[in-house]
Amino acid sequence: DTAVSQTPKYLVTQMGNDKSIKCEQNLGHDTMYWYKQDSKKFLKIMFSYNNKELIINETVPNRFSPKSPDKAHLNLHINSLELGDSAVYFCASSTSGGAIYNEQFFGPGTRLTVL
Amino acid sequence: GDSVTQMEGPVTLSEEAFLTINCTYTATGYPSLFWYVQYPGEGLQLLLKATKADDKGSNKGFEATYRKETTSFHLEKGSVQVSDSAVYFCALEYGNKLVFGAGTILRVKS
Repeated sequence: DTAVSQTPKYLVTQMGNDKSIKCEQNLGHDTMYWYKQDSKKFLKIMFSYNNKELIINETVPNRFSPKSPDKAHLNLHINSLELGDSAVYFCASSTSGGAIYNEQFFGPGTRLTVL
Repeated sequence: GDSVTQMEGPVTLSEEAFLTINCTYTATGYPSLFWYVQYPGEGLQLLLKATKADDKGSNKGFEATYRKETTSFHLEKGSVQVSDSAVYFCALEYGNKLVFGAGTILRVKS
């Protein structure tokens, strides 16, 4: 199936650990995003990459580091996890350039719980 | 900065009732406007969009009109179904960045 996929779907870990979430899209898009959804459902962009280059970097602690090995992948690495990092993290992808709007397609989300 | 405000939920309706979820925005330019829907346990899906003033987006019986004069993009549906139960997000897009409202939970009872 053509889609945006994320692994793992659920991640439970202890405070202070380092963890990674992986995202892959096979839609041929050149732009990928990470969003964070908190417990109140509020959704906010964290990062965006276009052709492996960082183009959006919102005010996010530098414990969060995105890595894009190629256009189809955007992974999120989190160091020294804190309780407040507990959230659902969504990856998304889109094309870029030219059109008035390039629809973003979202992955199913990764629910991170920090104990 | 750009922002989106939508009505707080949860909104609870009986099947076949009329739905309105209010959304207003603040933006320096002329953003595109969207409604996204998140079904339980799933990611977000684009429900409808409008890219300029007076455009009407529609999909699956849902409609919203881009009103520049009132900076609004209210979501409506004439007759909701139980399967419409979800979280609905209003959003604006400017420079490839989506800014979301807080989301409105809709619960439809049979």
